[in-house]
Amino acid sequence: ILNVEQSPQSLHVQEGDSTNFTCSFPSSNFYALHWYRWETAKSPEALFVMTLNGDEKKKGRISATLNTKEGYSYLYIKGSQPEDSATYLCAFSPSGSARQLTFGSGTQLTVLP
Amino acid sequence: EPEVTQTPSHQVTQMGQEVILRCVPISNHLYFYWYRQILGQKVEFLVSFYNNEISEKSEIFDDQFSVERPDGSNFTLKIRSTKLEDSAMYFCASRDRAAGELFFGEGSRLTVL
Repeated sequence: ILNVEQSPQSLHVQEGDSTNFTCSFPSSNFYALHWYRWETAKSPEALFVMTLNGDEKKKGRISATLNTKEGYSYLYIKGSQPEDSATYLCAFSPSGSARQLTFGSGTQLTVLP
Repeated sequence: EPEVTQTPSHQVTQMGQEVILRCVPISNHLYFYWYRQILGQKVEFLVSFYNNEISEKSEIFDDQFSVERPDGSNFTLKIRSTKLEDSAMYFCASRDRAAGELFFGEGSRLTVL
């Protein structure tokens, strides 16, 4: 059984604050790490797919880093806005089984105006 | 922008009844998936489908579950005899390559009474 853990479970920040959350995953048999943004009543939307140790990806104010040797990824949001409020899911894909993803439980972010 | 569509958005059924959940993946995608999320739990992988056959399935996906791609556009999940514990949000997803980002539908909420 693959264990993907995210922390914190939930987070409240003020508009303009920068924030980050963590995803930990098995460090062996790594293939890819995905980040998804999931707004209430909508479908999860891909932010990043990361495959190489040391990868850093950026999309606007959101960025992510990847450490496959120690099995963690960080997601950063700079200058949080109310529209960033969502659940952020990470998902791990092991080598040899690249078709399926194992999801963490998500970090629920609320940005207060 | 192309999107994955799912129907119905919500279905209520009696225990023991058959249910079919329907999905229309993005048209040029080749890999199709069903995931589910029981309330308060993680998103769980059910099955992946490629080249008109199941490529992987989880322990959850027992003989009561089946998938079909009957006409080249629809992708269906059938539960033959629903149980109370099948109550969940069921998500269809597709992608154009084996290790790319997943595109999710908005989900079908199944309530088994």
